[in-house]
Amino acid sequence: AQRVTQPEKLLSVFKGAPVELKCNYSYSGSPELFWYVQYSRQRLQLLLRHISRESIKGFTADLNKGETSFHLKKPFAQEEDSAMYYCALRNTDKLIFGTGTRLQVFP
Amino acid sequence: KAGVTQTPRYLIKTRGQQVTLSCSPISGHRSVSWYQQTPGQGLQFLFEYFSETQRNKGNFPGRFSGRQFSNSRSEMNVSTLELGDSALYLCASSLSGQGKYGYTFGSGTRLTVV
Repeated sequence: AQRVTQPEKLLSVFKGAPVELKCNYSYSGSPELFWYVQYSRQRLQLLLRHISRESIKGFTADLNKGETSFHLKKPFAQEEDSAMYYCALRNTDKLIFGTGTRLQVFP
Repeated sequence: KAGVTQTPRYLIKTRGQQVTLSCSPISGHRSVSWYQQTPGQGLQFLFEYFSETQRNKGNFPGRFSGRQFSNSRSEMNVSTLELGDSALYLCASSLSGQGKYGYTFGSGTRLTVV
């Protein structure tokens, strides 16, 4: 069965510390993975897609097929990064979301 | 260009009633998907429409239905509302129809069933 697992409900760090939000997936085909972010009282926004291999707001994510992971990383967290982060797997016409990780960045 | 627009933003209904939610996708996007977001179950896929055809459906009872019009606007309907239907309902649109480059989400309609 296709599944996305985000093991941490909450991740708290201080400003300037490195951040890694974990995402593991289960998918039989060639996966397409995304990270979405939801800031307080804002809509869900696309942050990263693995096919683009881009860096947005200092965040990067590498697909590791061997470990079936797509962890989101940022070397130096900022207070404005505080938000809810969702990892998602595309399965034909739908997204399968993980349960999300709340990132809190303290000053 | 305008984003995904969902109306209304908030709704309060009583058990047993029915409700219709509306979604206008980004201009030119032909795929519209619906998701239910709750604290307990997270984000769950309801259904997806492309060119007025439902192509995919999630694991929800038949009380949940939808449709898409020729201008790509979509509506979802929930009949015989239950307390457990209280949730944020999100609509997302995609250009390609397969979401290969990601989906753009609306702000959602928060439905409260009392």
